[in-house]
Amino acid sequence: DTAVSQTPKYLVTQMGNDKSIKCEQNLGHDTMYWYKQDSKKFLKIMFSYNNKELIINETVPNRFSPKSPDKAHLNLHINSLELGDSAVYFCASSQAQGREQYFGPGTRLTVT
Amino acid sequence: QKEVEQDPGPLSVPEGAIVSLNCTYSNSAFQYFMWYRQYSRKGPELLMYTYSSGNKEDGRFTAQVDKSSKYISLFIRDSQPSDSATYLCALGRGNTPLVFGKGTRLSVIA
Repeated sequence: DTAVSQTPKYLVTQMGNDKSIKCEQNLGHDTMYWYKQDSKKFLKIMFSYNNKELIINETVPNRFSPKSPDKAHLNLHINSLELGDSAVYFCASSQAQGREQYFGPGTRLTVT
Repeated sequence: QKEVEQDPGPLSVPEGAIVSLNCTYSNSAFQYFMWYRQYSRKGPELLMYTYSSGNKEDGRFTAQVDKSSKYISLFIRDSQPSDSATYLCALGRGNTPLVFGKGTRLSVIA
């Protein structure tokens, strides 16, 4: 029974395209996150949602737009993809901010 | 000074060795301390978490927190090749996002 799931696992697309990544958690958590992990493996937080409300929006280009239709889902839409967007994107959830987070398996995005 | 410092390694040890992984931090407000393990091409997996100073043991793993020195450690006893992964510390405080270390890459050689 997967706790945090993401789709798709792999995404290969061309520059300029628009793509979406979906995330779902079945842990009953109130807070969900998107992280970007670059080639150096550093985890950088992008967004944080609590009960469908955006609470953190780090310095991320506005081509990235998160959407939370309900507490269990947090999607990430990316417009006009650029080469520098190539990375692994992780969704995570927690009971509250600052508490232990549970991560999804990641979506490996390659922009060509 | 960065909020959380973690030596990136890589750290290479023989099978059966005791491994010590460490993080130091600068903000005494941190209350929650976690260790994550990340295998190649997988998501970070929560390994251990603790909310207080002292030791917490789980099988071959021991998490240690020293709030007075602002230092946390993860010890792995009888290390196995399957322990080869990147280990990230993460610290939390109040209603703010976790702060992650950069991760230490560990290789356990059979």
